[in-house]
Amino acid sequence: GQQLNQSPQSMFIQEGEDVSMNCTSSSIFNTWLWYKQEPGEGPVLLIALYKAGELTSNGRLTAQFGITRKDSFLNISASIPSDVGIYFCAGTMDSNYQLIWGAGTKLIIKP
Amino acid sequence: DGGITQSPKYLFRKEGQNVTLSCEQNLNHDAMYWYRQDPGQGLRLIYYSQIVNDFQKGDIAEGYSVSREKKESFPLTVTSAQKNPTAFYLCASSPGLAPVGRDTQYFGPGTRLTVL
Repeated sequence: GQQLNQSPQSMFIQEGEDVSMNCTSSSIFNTWLWYKQEPGEGPVLLIALYKAGELTSNGRLTAQFGITRKDSFLNISASIPSDVGIYFCAGTMDSNYQLIWGAGTKLIIKP
Repeated sequence: DGGITQSPKYLFRKEGQNVTLSCEQNLNHDAMYWYRQDPGQGLRLIYYSQIVNDFQKGDIAEGYSVSREKKESFPLTVTSAQKNPTAFYLCASSPGLAPVGRDTQYFGPGTRLTVL
């Protein structure tokens, strides 16, 4: 099926550092969503984006819907220990409303 | 409290046995979904249902079955035909089918199934 390319696969960062991750597709998307999943739990929605160029913040998190509609990025500023987890991008295309998921970016904070 | 519950949290079964995973929601959502999650991969859709007594196959429906007899409940049966059933199974719901705006999917805590 359709795939989203999410990178990086994992990140080792120091507390206080800024984090950036992105998702790309060869197809045009009309919605981009960013979720966070903690171990043994279901994903929780962080940010939803609906228009090309849209930039949306949720606390220290900022996400953008790329103007080509084929990519999105998520930034986390001044990371803290509770930011650890797996961050997923997901999106929908015009053809159907089925969510398509990236493989996730695992965020690990070095002690 | 409104939410989605999945039970049990951990499930062990012998190879060749069918097993049913429970998913209940009290959010009054019309749409419900089942996903499978394997390490290092994104979520893959097994089945979804927009309305009671109706459901559709997702990308990886083979070896699975579902029912939607009540709005609140969407149980998933992992049959012996599923070649590699060990995985983390996630149930989700949304007010409607489209995952935009208020129709964003909300997830349960998941069930980890291990087939021995």
